[in-house]
Amino acid sequence: KAGVTQTPRYLIKTRGQQVTLSCSPISGHRSVSWYQQTPGQGLQFLFEYFSETQRNKGNFPGRFSGRQFSNSRSEMNVSTLELGDSALYLCASSGSFETQYFGPGTRLLVL
Amino acid sequence: SQQGEEDPQALSIQEGENATMNCSYKTSINNLQWYRQNSGRGLVHLILIRSNEREKHSGRLRVTLDTSKKSSSLLITASRAADTASYFCATDAWNNAGNMLTFGGGTRLMVKP
Repeated sequence: KAGVTQTPRYLIKTRGQQVTLSCSPISGHRSVSWYQQTPGQGLQFLFEYFSETQRNKGNFPGRFSGRQFSNSRSEMNVSTLELGDSALYLCASSGSFETQYFGPGTRLLVL
Repeated sequence: SQQGEEDPQALSIQEGENATMNCSYKTSINNLQWYRQNSGRGLVHLILIRSNEREKHSGRLRVTLDTSKKSSSLLITASRAADTASYFCATDAWNNAGNMLTFGGGTRLMVKP
């Protein structure tokens, strides 16, 4: 099976802009989770979608949102970008309540 | 916020030596997982140990779990230069309705050839 794919891999934006990141899970996986990784805060959970519904949400402001489509592909959106949003955004898919398989990440730089 | 703390934060060893990394966490868990990350890339799942298990092996990896101490350790035996990476523990809390991992800060392992 193909692994988790994320697009784009790299992105440069300026403060105040918005960005949309995409994640395609492993075929058959219905759960997609998003994580933010920064040098200061480490790996932090953003949210999880299962069957097009947000099932869990981390402690991030409302500028961070996501959605999942009927084919399980997911997008996350960050509006009104801030410098502190510069990070590696990781998507993971799961076919069960256990092992999560991560994509290569999207590296976002906000200038 | 991070649930776990990993110890040490950085570890440098020679090829062939064993590497041990420790992880502590705060709340009751369903399972604990270990992941590897190379140079800021995606995470690779290594091993999962459930809360009712005490030890698990996978190839050169050995994981132990002590729920009474809320701690886990990852042992990599006969290390290779290719094992150079950051290693993270992640916990799945017992009351999670779904997938929501809480990660530790990670251990940066360098294996010198």
